[in-house]
Formats: sequence, C-alpha cells, structure tokens
Amino acid sequence: EDQVTQSPEALRLQEGESSSLNCSYTVSGLRGLFWYRQDPGKGPEFLFTLYSAGEEKEKERLKATLTKKESFLHITAPKPEDSATYLCAVYTSGTYKYIFGTGTRLKVLA
Amino acid sequence: DTAVSQTPKYLVTQMGNDKSIKCEQNLGHDTMYWYKQDSKKFLKIMFSYNNKELIINETVPNRFSPKSPDKAHLNLHINSLELGDSAVYFCASSPQVWGNSPLHFGNGTRLTVT
Repeated sequence: EDQVTQSPEALRLQEGESSSLNCSYTVSGLRGLFWYRQDPGKGPEFLFTLYSAGEEKEKERLKATLTKKESFLHITAPKPEDSATYLCAVYTSGTYKYIFGTGTRLKVLA
Repeated sequence: DTAVSQTPKYLVTQMGNDKSIKCEQNLGHDTMYWYKQDSKKFLKIMFSYNNKELIINETVPNRFSPKSPDKAHLNLHINSLELGDSAVYFCASSPQVWGNSPLHFGNGTRLTVT
C-alpha cells in the first residue's frame, strides 16, 4: 500500500537555526512529490514539485531534494514567519490520488 | 481573485442534521477534489471529479454525496451528521486528472457537529 511518513512531527527552532524536515515514501510508480505549507485556518499552499531522484528546487530559505525513498525540505536560517505546518504529498501512476503525509509542525522562535 | 473558494468557512450544527458545502474554482481546471483534515492535520482524499465525472470515491459513508454540476463546481452534501464528521473539509483542484501538477486548495470549511 502506498504510504507517506513525515518526521519529525513537531520541530522548534531558534531564529537562524537551520534544519531539515523529512518525507519518506513507499509507493509504486512515483509521478511527483509535492511540498506544501499550511498556516492556521488556511488551506495548504504549494511550495515545490519534484519529479525524479536527484532533483532539487529552491525558494528563498527553503530547498527541497528528492531521492528514491525520501525527500527533504531544508530550511536555512529560518525566521519566525516560516512557522507553519509543512506537508508533503505524492502522486503515483494509476491511482489518480495525491497521498499526504501527516505533516511537520514547525515553530521558529525569535 | 480567489482561485478556489468554498463556503461556508464555519459550520456548526447538531447531530442528525443535513448540511452542504459549496466549492468553486476559477482556474479552468478539469479536476476537483474533496479532502478531510482531522485534528492531527492528516489530509485524506474523499472524492475526486474530472470534468463532472466521478473518478475517486474512497471508503466514505454514503451519507456523504458529492455533486459536480459543471467542472468549475464541486459540492458536498452530508446527511444525518454524526459527531465523528467534525473536521475541516478542503476543496482542491488540479489542471487534469494525471497528477503531475500541484493541487490548489480552498481555505477549508470547519464543520463542528454537536
């Protein structure tokens, strides 16, 4: 069965303290891996799409990477405004479904 | 302009009632979805429609009935509401049913059943 697991469940960082969030997946026929950011009371907001192992995408303080088994969201020198829940999702061939992980709740302290 | 909009944002109702949530997207996408997010932030697919045709119908009680009058609208009707239906329901859309594009989400409808 296709599965997506995110770790850690929650993460507290000091402002400027870089770290990484993990998204591990067990799926057949990955067609895309997606990262989202979700703020309280809002819907998930798209950040990145990764399609194949070795691919990397960057946006401001965020960088997403992909291997055959997992993806990392690296946060460099985070700021309090980066506090949110970060979700990853995968889309596999033949299922027509986006399967989500349970998210990582990130809190960045000033 | 809001890309994916759903109404209402909050819905408080009693057990046994029937309620509807509406969703509209102005992105010109072919595919729309309903997701349920529980208190631990887990998003679970409920239904998807591609150009008004039902594509995904997950293991959801048949008290939940989606309706897509056209490809820009996907509504969710819930009969005989139960306490366990309390959650945040998200509507989303994507350009096509083949998932190489990200989902675009609405801001959710928080349903509370008392």
